[in-house]
Order: sequence, then C-alpha cells, then structure tokens
Amino acid sequence: AQTVTQSQPEMSVQEAETVTLSCTYDTSENNYYLFWYKQPPSRQMILVIRQEAYKQQNATENRFSVNFQKAAKSFSLKISDSQLGDTAMYFCAFSQGVDGANSKLTFGKGITLSVRP
Amino acid sequence: ETGVTQSPTHLIKTRGQQVTLRCSSQSGHNTVSWYQQALGQGPQFIFQYYREEENGRGNFPPRFSGLQFPNYSSELNVNALELDDSALYLCASSLGVNQETQYFGPGTRLLVL
Repeated sequence: AQTVTQSQPEMSVQEAETVTLSCTYDTSENNYYLFWYKQPPSRQMILVIRQEAYKQQNATENRFSVNFQKAAKSFSLKISDSQLGDTAMYFCAFSQGVDGANSKLTFGKGITLSVRP
Repeated sequence: ETGVTQSPTHLIKTRGQQVTLRCSSQSGHNTVSWYQQALGQGPQFIFQYYREEENGRGNFPPRFSGLQFPNYSSELNVNALELDDSALYLCASSLGVNQETQYFGPGTRLLVL
C-alpha cells in the first residue's frame, strides 16, 4: 500500500520570503503521479502542482516549484515570494499510474502554512 | 466552464439516520471520486465512479454507497449514521481514470449528533 508522510504539522513564513514544504512517500510502483493541493479556510481543495514520476524535470507553476527526488521518494514544494493568500493547509498526494485502475489519491496529513505580513 | 459543485454545504443528522450528498462534476468530466476528510486530517478515498460504474473502493463499510447518473453527476449515501461519520465530504471530478488530475468541489460538512 502506498503511504504519504508530511512530518511538519505547521510552518510560518514572512511575506515575500521563500518556504519549502516537505513530503515523502512510499511505493513499489515505478509509474505514478504526485500532487500538491492547497486547502484554504474556505475548504475548497485547489491543485497547486503536479509531477509525473517518469519525468526527470521538476514541475514549476509560477511561484511554485517542486524538488522531486525519485530515489529518495521525496517530493517537496517550494513557494517563492510568499503572499498572504498562500495561507492554507497544504496536502501532498500520490496517485498510482496503472492504466485502467482507479486513480484514487492517497493524501498526507497536511501542513498548515501561515504567511505573516 | 462550470466547476465541481456539491450540495448541501452543511448538514446535521442524528445517529442512525441516513444521508444523501450530491455532486455535479465539472463540464466534460466522466469520473467522480468521493473522499472523507476528518477534522485536521487528509482526505480518505471512499470510492470512484466512472461512466456510471463503481471503479474502486477504499476501506469503508457497505453502508457507504454511491451512484453516478448518465450526466455524470453523483450521489453518496450513508446509512445508519455513526458519530465518527462527522466529517467534510469532498467530491472530485476528472476527465478519466488514467491519472487525470482531479478537481475538487467545496465539500459538504456533515455533523452527526
């Protein structure tokens, strides 16, 4: 069974600075997908970024980038130029890449990020 | 393009009752997944529906059941409610089952007294 671990329950960062959120996972699969989702107090889960395991290049989306270390099974999220609107709970999630199988997401426990003005 | 919608937003039930939660998928999406999120935890996969058929189920008892309709909207039914069923129920839709990104609705907050 796949597991996702987010060991930091809370983090705080000053506005405009950079913060890195950690995530590790465990799987015996070679083909899979990793995601970071953001859940603000409004509770709607929003996709931040997605990484395909077969791609060596780290995914980037504007101020958000990942450091994907496949051998170490590590998938961290870097947020640059932090903004007050980045305050939210962040979840790391895993989806196995088997064609035709259900694409269920396995989530970590999440990390609460607070951006200070 | 309409996003994923869920109804109702909040619900209060008593132990032993039954509840139905509804989800409308994003336009063009034929796959719906349901998740249960307890307070302070990550979402847990309940089941997935693809083209009106159940396509995988998580570790939830049979009193959790679902449906998907021809327009790809979906229902989650929970019978014999227990206190531990109190949670945020999230619906997510995707274009297919082959690792398509899932897009979430705002959720239904269920409180069981």
